[in-house]
Amino acid sequence: DIVMTQTPSSQAVSAGEKVTMSCKSSQSLLYSENKKNYLAWYQQKPGQSPKLLISWASTRESGVPDRFIGSGSGTDFTLTISSVQAEDLAVYYCEQYYDTPWTFGGGTKLELK
Amino acid sequence: QVRLKESGPRLVQPSQTLSVTCTVSGFSVTSYHVSWVRQPPGKGLEWVGAIWKGGSTDYNSALKSRLSISRDTSKNQVFLKMNSLQTDDTGTYYCAKLGAGVMDAWGQGASVTVSS
Repeated sequence: DIVMTQTPSSQAVSAGEKVTMSCKSSQSLLYSENKKNYLAWYQQKPGQSPKLLISWASTRESGVPDRFIGSGSGTDFTLTISSVQAEDLAVYYCEQYYDTPWTFGGGTKLELK
Repeated sequence: QVRLKESGPRLVQPSQTLSVTCTVSGFSVTSYHVSWVRQPPGKGLEWVGAIWKGGSTDYNSALKSRLSISRDTSKNQVFLKMNSLQTDDTGTYYCAKLGAGVMDAWGQGASVTVSS
């Protein structure tokens, strides 16, 4: 199974701050035939279901604010929030869909400083 | 509008079988794959398995011996059955629509407690 490791596990932030969080996979998620990285980011707010933010490592879903930026390739990926808003306080999960069993990272929890 | 809704028992006894139904609207289960994900209380997400639009299935190997995913295309429903439940199967069970490989719409989740 592909192991996904997210760091940090939690991060205290202030509104307006730039935030970065990391996701590393135990093997490359880059499929050579289409040059796509099979990596997604989800946001889960307290008491809610996860919500897809980004697919293919860097493609924002429709309606997702452009302050959410996904980057990286191969085994190293980053989710950046350029200017954190109060409504962004949540747990963020990365997920690989390169191969089953699809696997998630342990999550990064954004908390208010 | 795409919607998914899970339904099932809130309490299941140890060693018994869990049955959760995912009723979908706004899309057909014969046109899109559907996945199941579970989340223990206060913990992260675990992929359970999926049923592809053609009807075949794929399961998390850690759960495969206890798991069955099926569907009723006439009712646009997907079913998850897991037997020999233990306390660490307690959690919220989500169904999700798969779009281009990712889970792009999720249900509200069904909260299940395994306890005697």
